[in-house]
Amino acid sequence: DVVMTQSPLSLPVTLGQPASISCRSSQSLAHSDGNTYLIWFQQRPGHSPRRLIYKVSNRDSGVPDRFSGSGSGTDFTLKISRVEADDVGVYHCMQGTYWPYSFGQGTKLEIK
Amino acid sequence: QVKVVESGGDVVQPGRSLRLSCAASGFTFSSHAMHWVRQAPGQGLEWVAQIAHDGGYKGYPDSVKGRFTISRDNSRNTLSLQMNSLRSEDTAVYYCVTEVGARAFDIRGQGTMVTVSS
Repeated sequence: DVVMTQSPLSLPVTLGQPASISCRSSQSLAHSDGNTYLIWFQQRPGHSPRRLIYKVSNRDSGVPDRFSGSGSGTDFTLKISRVEADDVGVYHCMQGTYWPYSFGQGTKLEIK
Repeated sequence: QVKVVESGGDVVQPGRSLRLSCAASGFTFSSHAMHWVRQAPGQGLEWVAQIAHDGGYKGYPDSVKGRFTISRDNSRNTLSLQMNSLRSEDTAVYYCVTEVGARAFDIRGQGTMVTVSS
């Protein structure tokens, strides 16, 4: 099974400063169809996860352009250019290339 | 707009059974695979089951294989999860996951809480 490893697990950030979360997979997430199925979810306190980015770098409708995804193969990154108070929560990466699909442990972003 | 509403969560004793449901709307349900994932209290997310658009394929991770059964009723736009031989480690919020678009997984509902405790 593919293991997804996120770092850091806790991320204190000053308002207005950038933030970066790493997600690494135990094998390449490049699918034979040419796509890489790596998704990022945001989970605000007390809420369900909300999809932010799919296929590595495609932002969902309504997601601020402060959020960006990048990477390939086994290494992926979610970046927030300027953290706002509304960004507090847990960020999960997820791979949908190999069954069983799997999530990272989650990274808790908090305001310093 | 894609919408799902999960229901059926409850407090049950170890070894008992429970059936969860997910009512879907806002998309052509019968054309898309569907899934269940879960999140134990204070923990990360775990995939629980998947089912093809026509119910012809079903997949489970080892943690629930043989105990959980996913099914769907395309005439009623409903997804179900039959959970048998429940264990304390099955305690979690269960979310219905849509796949509208190839591997475009999304969580749109509030989830339903299952607590397994004596």
